[in-house]
Amino acid sequence: GAVVSQHPSWVICKSGTSVKIECRSLDFQATTMFWYRQFPKQSLMLMATSNEGSKATYEQGVEKDKFLINHASLTLSTLTVTSAHPEDSSFYICSASAGRNYGYTFGSGTRLTVV
Amino acid sequence: DAKTTQPPSMDCAEGRAANLPCNHSTISGNEYVYWYRQIHSQGPQYIIHGLKNNETNEMASLIITEDRKSSTLILPHATLRDTAVYYCIVRARGGNSGYALNFGKGTSLLVTP
Repeated sequence: GAVVSQHPSWVICKSGTSVKIECRSLDFQATTMFWYRQFPKQSLMLMATSNEGSKATYEQGVEKDKFLINHASLTLSTLTVTSAHPEDSSFYICSASAGRNYGYTFGSGTRLTVV
Repeated sequence: DAKTTQPPSMDCAEGRAANLPCNHSTISGNEYVYWYRQIHSQGPQYIIHGLKNNETNEMASLIITEDRKSSTLILPHATLRDTAVYYCIVRARGGNSGYALNFGKGTSLLVTP
């Protein structure tokens, strides 16, 4: 079946630094990748949608200059949290799809803690 | 996307069938019903999806009512490892609109010994 690898699984960083999270589709070409954020005891909230080779589309309220998304290839998307602050601490999850008529596969998530 | 309504929590004894309901009364003809689950601190895991016919796979069965306004996910023999939050999502395939899965609050299923 389709597999999505997400790294790192957890990261602790100092306030003001940047953190990059990688999401790779291992056995299929992901034309579209989605990034979600999940706070404790809450559901997943969509942050942005990215299509390979195009700029990401961000959901309302998500700062595109703070959460940089790159989807340069059909198997890799990255989310960079720039100038991280404690309120950015959350569980970040990526999802990949081969197209509108295909399903969705999720990564295992990244626990970000900003101290 | 059609909105879904699920009970916030359910309990099930180990070995028994877990029946998780979902209401989606505003579902459109081209919208599928997807079920995912999320075990604590992991990414969501696909379970099953269907359009109008009942579906079964190695994990679960999906029963969709004839009018498609509700569905039930059935875990035939629940185990402790099935303890998770279960999300029912309706989503169209194809088309030109954004097609991310939008998660509601789901049902927190607790399987007890």
